[in-house]
Amino acid sequence: DAGVTQSPTHLIKTRGQQVTLRCSPKSGHDTVSWYQQALGQGPQFIFQYYEEEERQRGNFPDRFSGHQFPNYSSELNVNALLLGDSALYLCASSSYRGGSGELFFGEGSRLTVL
Amino acid sequence: AQSVTQLDSHVSVSEGTPVLLRCNYSSSYSPSLFWYVQHPNKGLQLLLKYTSAATLVKGINGFEAEFKKSETSFHLTKPSAHMSDAAEYFCVVSYTGGFKTIFGAGTRLFVKA
Repeated sequence: DAGVTQSPTHLIKTRGQQVTLRCSPKSGHDTVSWYQQALGQGPQFIFQYYEEEERQRGNFPDRFSGHQFPNYSSELNVNALLLGDSALYLCASSSYRGGSGELFFGEGSRLTVL
Repeated sequence: AQSVTQLDSHVSVSEGTPVLLRCNYSSSYSPSLFWYVQHPNKGLQLLLKYTSAATLVKGINGFEAEFKKSETSFHLTKPSAHMSDAAEYFCVVSYTGGFKTIFGAGTRLFVKA
């Protein structure tokens, strides 16, 4: 049973570019949440998707957008990249029905903006 | 308002001595509480969870946590630290079935030989 998978694992972009990160949730999970973790900091909640809709959003600008597909996989898009967007981006999946709130995390996508 | 406070940003112990990582929460609801561990450049791994069953929760790698409602605490303990326990630990509170999840700021555990 595959856990949460994220791609790519590492990428380098320049300021102003756009990036798309991908996440496949754990089998049986229907909810995907995205987090940004800057170096030495805790994860900061970006947004959460359930039933292909954004259900919650953290304090992130509109440059951060996402999508959830019918197979529950998800994408995170960041436009007009800034140096401060350099971080580890974590995807977490969970089950809405009967879920206790336990999150299963992927290994993350390390984004470096030059 | 819901919040999580990890009382120590850094904890240093010697190998073989007990570990105590402290966490207090604030929640108007009956929360679910979790401890996650993160090794460098890795994702987060669940250590243990409390979901309104037994107040003493046993997790992986010998870790335990006790839910104390009167103190609004969920401290993480381990009787004997191992070098491989050196990592970042996050206390997390979740409610409304997981649709609201709040992370503590994290505690970095150092283990000395």
